[in-house]
Amino acid sequence: AQKVTQAQTEISVVEKEDVTLDCVYETRDTTYYLFWYKQPPSGELVFLIRRNSFDEQNEISGRYSWNFQKSTSSFNFTITASQVVDSAVYFCALSGGAGGTSYGKLTFGQGTILTVHP
Amino acid sequence: DTGVSQDPRHKITKRGQNVTFRCDPISEHNRLYWYRQTLGQGPEFLTYFQNEAQLEKSRLLSDRFSAERPKGSFSTLEIQRTEQGDSAMYLCASSPPEAGPYEQYFGPGTRLTVT
Repeated sequence: AQKVTQAQTEISVVEKEDVTLDCVYETRDTTYYLFWYKQPPSGELVFLIRRNSFDEQNEISGRYSWNFQKSTSSFNFTITASQVVDSAVYFCALSGGAGGTSYGKLTFGQGTILTVHP
Repeated sequence: DTGVSQDPRHKITKRGQNVTFRCDPISEHNRLYWYRQTLGQGPEFLTYFQNEAQLEKSRLLSDRFSAERPKGSFSTLEIQRTEQGDSAMYLCASSPPEAGPYEQYFGPGTRLTVT
């Protein structure tokens, strides 16, 4: 069975601060994909980033960056210079690769509520 | 390019009634997914279709739940004899052929309240 844990229930920062959201996962699949989604107050889940299990290279995309460490089963997400519009619930998710038991479905964490104050 | 649409956006029903939700995926997307999200939790997978074939169903999908995608385009999710525990946001997502299930685009959801 797959499991995604986001230990931070809520985070509050002041605008322009950097903020890191933690994610730890469990899976028996040898190939898998990790995701971060954003759910603003409007409720619609917005895809942010995706990473596959065989590529541990960390990247930066605009103000977003992520740190994937297979050895610790972690997939942390950082927003640099946070803005008020970043306020939302952020979900980490996991999907098995082709042939795996969890192929085709996302397993989500419980979410982290991020509030960015002006 | 329009996104995933869901109808209705909100539904209030009395316990024991049947309800049906509709999801229209993004055009050309061959995979369609249903998830359920309760307050304060992440979405939970219910079922998914590739074209018109229902390929997997979660054990969360009891006998009272049925999903269809008759022509490989829109999908419906029906809940029979609703219970208060069915109150949740029902989310639909779709993904394009070239991305497999690794690029799921979500709709705005249907919020169900069972009184």
